Amino acid sequence: ILNVEQSPQSLHVQEGDSTNFTCSFPSSNFYALHWYRWETAKSPEALFVMTLNGDEKKKGRISATLNTKEGYSYLYIKGSQPEDSATYLCAFVGGTSYGKLTFGQGTILTVHP
Amino acid sequence: NAGVTQTPKFRILKIGQSMTLQCTQDMNHNYMYWYRQDPGMGLKLIYYSVGAGITDKGEVPNGYNVSRSTTEDFPLRLELAAPSQTSVYFCASSYPTGRNQETQYFGPGTRLLVL
Repeated sequence: ILNVEQSPQSLHVQEGDSTNFTCSFPSSNFYALHWYRWETAKSPEALFVMTLNGDEKKKGRISATLNTKEGYSYLYIKGSQPEDSATYLCAFVGGTSYGKLTFGQGTILTVHP
Repeated sequence: NAGVTQTPKFRILKIGQSMTLQCTQDMNHNYMYWYRQDPGMGLKLIYYSVGAGITDKGEVPNGYNVSRSTTEDFPLRLELAAPSQTSVYFCASSYPTGRNQETQYFGPGTRLLVL
């Protein structure tokens, strides 16, 4: 069983704050690391797929970094807005897994106006 | 493009009843997946399929069955519902790139309550 851990479990920030959270995954047999954003009552939506050590991806105010040697990825949100409130999921792909994702438990972000 | 659709949105079952959760995608994706989401536990893979006629177990397959007779449809069957199957079920699909980096597209979910 693969162990994918996210921290913190939940986070409350004020509008305008910058924030970041962590995803830890196995450092061996790495293929890809996904980040998904999941708003309440909606479906998870893909943010990034990261594949190379040192990868940095950016979409608007959200960015992510990847360290495959030590098995972690950070997601950063700059200048958080209430609409950023969601659960952020990371998912690991390892080995010959036909794209199967092993998800972390998620970080619940609440941005207060 | 409707994407991934799931029916029903919500269902209450009695213990021992059976039901089928429907999932359809119109993106011509070969890969399809069923997940369940329990509070604080993230998404757990139940079954997946890499093409019509091919299915395989995921992390938590017990109590479920699947079939894949067409590319578009991937129904999930619960034969004897148990309270432990109370959960939110998500279907997802992806197009194989051959590099294990496929983005998955999720349906809206089915909320199931077993009493």
